[in-house]
Amino acid sequence: DAGVIQSPRHEVTEMGQEVTLRCKPISGHDYLFWYRQTMMRGLELLIYFNNNVPIDDSGMPEDRFSAKMPNASFSTLKIQPSEPRDSAVYFCASSPTTTGNWFEQFFGPGTRLTVL
Amino acid sequence: GQNIDQPTEMTATEGAIVQINCTYQTSGFNGLFWYQQHAGEAPTFLSYNVLDGLEEKGRFSSFLSRSKGYSYLLLKELQMKDSASYLCAVRDEDYQLIWGAGTKLIIKP
Repeated sequence: DAGVIQSPRHEVTEMGQEVTLRCKPISGHDYLFWYRQTMMRGLELLIYFNNNVPIDDSGMPEDRFSAKMPNASFSTLKIQPSEPRDSAVYFCASSPTTTGNWFEQFFGPGTRLTVL
Repeated sequence: GQNIDQPTEMTATEGAIVQINCTYQTSGFNGLFWYQQHAGEAPTFLSYNVLDGLEEKGRFSSFLSRSKGYSYLLLKELQMKDSASYLCAVRDEDYQLIWGAGTKLIIKP
């Protein structure tokens, strides 16, 4: 089992540039989550999808952030234009829908983004 | 508002026992999770509690009191590899996970 796959693992870019982060969830998982983690704010949920449909994007900081899930095996998080305050580790996680209505989230290795 | 409180940092000795507390105030409750996160790595699932009481899994146990809005993670026979951050997360009435800031556990020989 490959687990959740994210790319790139590290990204260094300059302010104003577009950044695209990619995620492949675990096959068969119905839910996909995008998180951002910083020392100051901890782990923050940005958006999550259920069966490829965005359910809650209230955590997306502003219009510069957008996320898509065109199919069950791929999702992107885009920042355009990027700013230094976007520097963080971005995690993608997926989870199955199980009976009993509880599920654990499986996290990818994260993308460490640095915006100069 | 929704709030989860954990100590920022704790220190313990190899071979000892440590208890990491978590208190929460959320809109509704549909379970509490503990995750472990080593530095530079992704969080990994440790335990889940939805009913009051103690859940034991090897050296790790997790306790929940819903009436008190309180949980703890108990780590026994501490090993150096247990040095990590421990994240408490509560699922609210909308099944959203609300995350604590995490407790950094430092294990000393």
